[in-house]
Amino acid sequence: QKEVEQNSGPLSVPEGAIASLNCTYSDRGSQSFFWYRQYSGKSPELIMFIYSNGDKEDGRFTAQLNKASQYVSLLIRDSQPSDSATYLCAVPGVSGGYNKLIFGAGTRLAVHP
Amino acid sequence: DVKVTQSSRYLVKRTGEKVFLECVQDMDHENMFWYRQDPGLGLRLIYFSYDVKMKEKGDIPEGYSVSREKKERFSLILESASTNQTSMYLCASSLGQSMNTEAFFGQGTRLTVV
Repeated sequence: QKEVEQNSGPLSVPEGAIASLNCTYSDRGSQSFFWYRQYSGKSPELIMFIYSNGDKEDGRFTAQLNKASQYVSLLIRDSQPSDSATYLCAVPGVSGGYNKLIFGAGTRLAVHP
Repeated sequence: DVKVTQSSRYLVKRTGEKVFLECVQDMDHENMFWYRQDPGLGLRLIYFSYDVKMKEKGDIPEGYSVSREKKERFSLILESASTNQTSMYLCASSLGQSMNTEAFFGQGTRLTVV
């Protein structure tokens, strides 16, 4: 099992709809979770982080965390074409004996007008 | 604003050349990372460093080495470039001993080895 798993997509949603992006992780000891957005040809930028079980909202973005199920999701409300990007989930974990930030492969989101 | 700067956006090198990719951060971060990103494979960690002169292998260190002589600078070295090292290379930095902090990325270097 991969340490951080995401559906590669593409996830295609119409403009104005809710986009739901999912991520599962294997390390039960993980405490914080990051969502990065990466536009084509650009570097990743942080858009959300969450530490506690439940929901965290920031504008049109909501992160949902369920530690018991080892599941974190990102909801984008009122999706816009400018949201079209790859979304990377990242989880701090221990790999090879060292603490490091472990990224999923990313989900490509396409918002069509 | 945190700034992570990579020395080149695009590089074209020949097979067998020694290649240096430079990364500088201006926020006094302890941790620095080199990733490569390939379609369908996501971000793969090559090397990281949590202090000056300290380095640790990531998931795919073969064919690479690194140098961190100063806290703000982390260099990735391709000892003898090969075509399978054609990729997007991303440098990142983060604060503190824990990984529970945001990683800030440079703009990326797209390396082509011919």
